[in-house]
Amino acid sequence: GEDVEQSLFLSVREGDSSVINCTYTDSSSTYLYWYKQEPGAGLQLLTYIFSNMDMKQDQRLTVLLNKKDKHLSLRIADTQTGDSAIYFCAIRGPGGGADGLTFGKGTHLIIQP
Amino acid sequence: KAGVTQTPRYLIKTRGQQVTLSCSPISGHRSVSWYQQTPGQGLQFLFEYFSETQRNKGNFPGRFSGRQFSNSRSEMNVSTLELGDSALYLCASSLFAGGAYGYTFGSGTRLTVV
Repeated sequence: GEDVEQSLFLSVREGDSSVINCTYTDSSSTYLYWYKQEPGAGLQLLTYIFSNMDMKQDQRLTVLLNKKDKHLSLRIADTQTGDSAIYFCAIRGPGGGADGLTFGKGTHLIIQP
Repeated sequence: KAGVTQTPRYLIKTRGQQVTLSCSPISGHRSVSWYQQTPGQGLQFLFEYFSETQRNKGNFPGRFSGRQFSNSRSEMNVSTLELGDSALYLCASSLFAGGAYGYTFGSGTRLTVV
């Protein structure tokens, strides 16, 4: 089945850009997502990208997709203390998503003052 | 509009008991999915319901079951609880089957089995 890998931790200074990376194995993935989870909360959908796109920008967020290398990244510009959370990459496979989403283990984003 | 509502927020159960968790999706959403989140395994797909039909089920034993009602509300049931069932159970809803444009998640039910 699908495998999704992420680094466990990322530490950045407040005001800098954060880049969270994700690699996946299934080249037939159709939609790719980034979710954010704050302590004690559920998952918040940040953004998604279709597999036929290579970039999507949404305010401070930029998603880059390299299908050849099966690599997805999320860039957060001007990182703030409120961005401190766990960020999950998730992949929707073929078959209309009937097998649900496959999530990475999440990247803990730590903001240094 | 109201988000995805899960009840209860916290549950403590004893091994061998059964438990029922409830999820009310966003109004108009017909797809409801359930995920289990644990520190060791991360987020794992349990099942998805769309228009009262189970589309698929993840790699979980038959003790895990669910259903969806005509108003799209969903319940999941775990019978004969084991210590390893302790987890955060997340419900997610979507307009479309398979959550093409993303799911909206609830805050979860934290189940502790003692």
